[in-house]
Amino acid sequence: KAGVTQTPRYLIKTRGQQVTLSCSPISGHRSVSWYQQTPGQGLQFLFEYFSETQRNKGNFPGRFSGRQFSNSRSEMNVSTLELGDSALYLCASSRRAAGDGELFFGEGSRLTVL
Amino acid sequence: AQSVTQLGSHVSVSEGALVLLRCNYSSSVPPYLFWYVQYPNQGLQLLLKYTTGATLVKGINGFEAEFKKSETSFHLTKPSAHMSDAAEYFCAVSGGSNYKLTFGKGTLLTVNP
Repeated sequence: KAGVTQTPRYLIKTRGQQVTLSCSPISGHRSVSWYQQTPGQGLQFLFEYFSETQRNKGNFPGRFSGRQFSNSRSEMNVSTLELGDSALYLCASSRRAAGDGELFFGEGSRLTVL
Repeated sequence: AQSVTQLGSHVSVSEGALVLLRCNYSSSVPPYLFWYVQYPNQGLQLLLKYTTGATLVKGINGFEAEFKKSETSFHLTKPSAHMSDAAEYFCAVSGGSNYKLTFGKGTLLTVNP
């Protein structure tokens, strides 16, 4: 079966712009989680959506937002981009809540902010 | 709240040698513990997990981990390293369904021929 699909895979933006990243989970998975991965900080949790509701949220500023649609596809948006937002953004889906831990990850969207 | 500390950001072993990657956790509730692996330019893949029951957990590719509550540890081991094991390994903890999954900062495993 198809895995988790993230688009776009690579993108370059400038400071002050905004960006929207998309994630299509594995069919039948209701939970989608987003993580920011950087060399210095590792994987940092952004938020989790389950059946269109935000279930958990990490310690990121309000510039980072997300949503989930009725077909479980999810988007995350970052507004007013800063240089420090350059990172690999990983999406993961799971059949049950993410806290149960059986996450399936996409290959990520690599964002570079100039 | 939950947190994870992975001891050693980089571990190097020879092919055929024992692999030991260390993970200590902190949790205010009984933890669920996990190890994930990330190969270059890929997402993470679940290696093994502990929720309840047997404390020695076997995973894919010959890896196993032991939950030691008294030591708050969940170290990952493999008796004999293969070149294909070279990757970054992440330990993670949650408190169950209602909790977020928190990852450690990762340990990069290098396997030398």
